[in-house]
Amino acid sequence: GQNIDQPTEMTATEGAIVQINCTYQTSGFNGLFWYQQHAGEAPTFLSYNVLDGLEEKGRFSSFLSRSKGYSYLLLKELQMKDSASYLCAAAVAGNNRKLIWGLGTSLAVNP
Amino acid sequence: EAQVTQNPRYLITVTGKKLTVTCSQNMNHEYMSWYRQDPGLGLRQIYYSMNVEVTDKGDVPEGYKVSRKEKRNFPLILESPSPNQTSLYFCASTPSSELAGRDEQFFGPGTRLTVL
Repeated sequence: GQNIDQPTEMTATEGAIVQINCTYQTSGFNGLFWYQQHAGEAPTFLSYNVLDGLEEKGRFSSFLSRSKGYSYLLLKELQMKDSASYLCAAAVAGNNRKLIWGLGTSLAVNP
Repeated sequence: EAQVTQNPRYLITVTGKKLTVTCSQNMNHEYMSWYRQDPGLGLRQIYYSMNVEVTDKGDVPEGYKVSRKEKRNFPLILESPSPNQTSLYFCASTPSSELAGRDEQFFGPGTRLTVL
């Protein structure tokens, strides 16, 4: 079947670095998205990886290993406003052309 | 401003009373989708549309209907709402009907629906 796993909760300290992992099993893989969702708000796009390697975008970086079915989101210089849920989603090619969503990792950034 | 709008943002209704949640995007996007989000279950796709007059079921379509008569609008219809449809609903749009490549999804602000 198709499945995405990510930790349910994580805690980190302001100014630190945190890595949120995501493993996936899908057919016809077409890339991996990360979205940020603050409580009660809509998800917003953070990153997309389709090739192996690291993509850096300011304080946020995302990594993909297609052979291992593994991705991570790296957040540096954590700020209180980074407290949110981080959703991993795999794009699946085929007739449906849909995203398979993880349940999200709730990150709490403490002072 | 490029955006996806949904109305209403909050709705409390009773079982069996038909309702429509509107969704509109001003970005000329082809692909639109409806999701519901529930604690412990994450985002689940209800219906999607790859273009005008083209709609298809997602993972949890039972109890819902949609239409896509115009490119910008994609309303979600609950003909006879039930308490198990109490949820947070998101409409989303993306430029490409293929959802491949870097086409991110743009989400509306959400509609919190309570069915008593």
